[in-house]
Amino acid sequence: KAGVTQTPRYLIKTRGQQVTLSCSPISGHRSVSWYQQTPGQGLQFLFEYFSETQRNKGNFPGRFSGRQFSNSRSEMNVSTLELGDSALYLCASSLVGANTEAFFGQGTRLTVV
Amino acid sequence: GESVGLHLPTLSVQEGDNSIINCAYSNSASDYFIWYKQESGKGPQFIIDIRSNMDKRQGQRVTVLLNKTVKHLSLQIAATQPGDSAVYFCAEKEAGANNLFFGTGTRLTVIP
Repeated sequence: KAGVTQTPRYLIKTRGQQVTLSCSPISGHRSVSWYQQTPGQGLQFLFEYFSETQRNKGNFPGRFSGRQFSNSRSEMNVSTLELGDSALYLCASSLVGANTEAFFGQGTRLTVV
Repeated sequence: GESVGLHLPTLSVQEGDNSIINCAYSNSASDYFIWYKQESGKGPQFIIDIRSNMDKRQGQRVTVLLNKTVKHLSLQIAATQPGDSAVYFCAEKEAGANNLFFGTGTRLTVIP
């Protein structure tokens, strides 16, 4: 069974630009969550999608958005990039239900210059 | 996914010794806890989980202990091996929610 796939692995963008990251969950997993990992803040929850609907959202500005498609694939978008957005963005997929483990992809390393 | 050079607590152990990694959580409503291992160049990898109605759970070479009274979680790794060198995160999930809250992480270094 293929794991969670994130593309691209690495990305360099300029301040003010926007970026779209992609995540393909494990087959059969309908919940997709996004996390930001930085040296200063660690791993922080961005948002979760299930059945094409955002179910939960972390404490991030509106520049961070996402969506989920009918095949459960998800994208996240960051607009008007700031230097502080440089981070590792991780996607996790899980089955629906209480107490189910989340499987992570390898992440997309975003560098904003 | 890389371990991004976090300013982490560190633990160094000799190969073959047992390791204990600790984690404090703050949310009394959390009812599910997971330990993840993150190696350089990879995303977090599931190690073991425990539900709040348990206080101990064992896996292969790993044991998780949960003390709800003091909101403390620990991961014990038996006979630590060089391949165990990584950053270890505890994560908690609140009942009814699907998002995880992660601890700061601990960098484990195994000395051959």
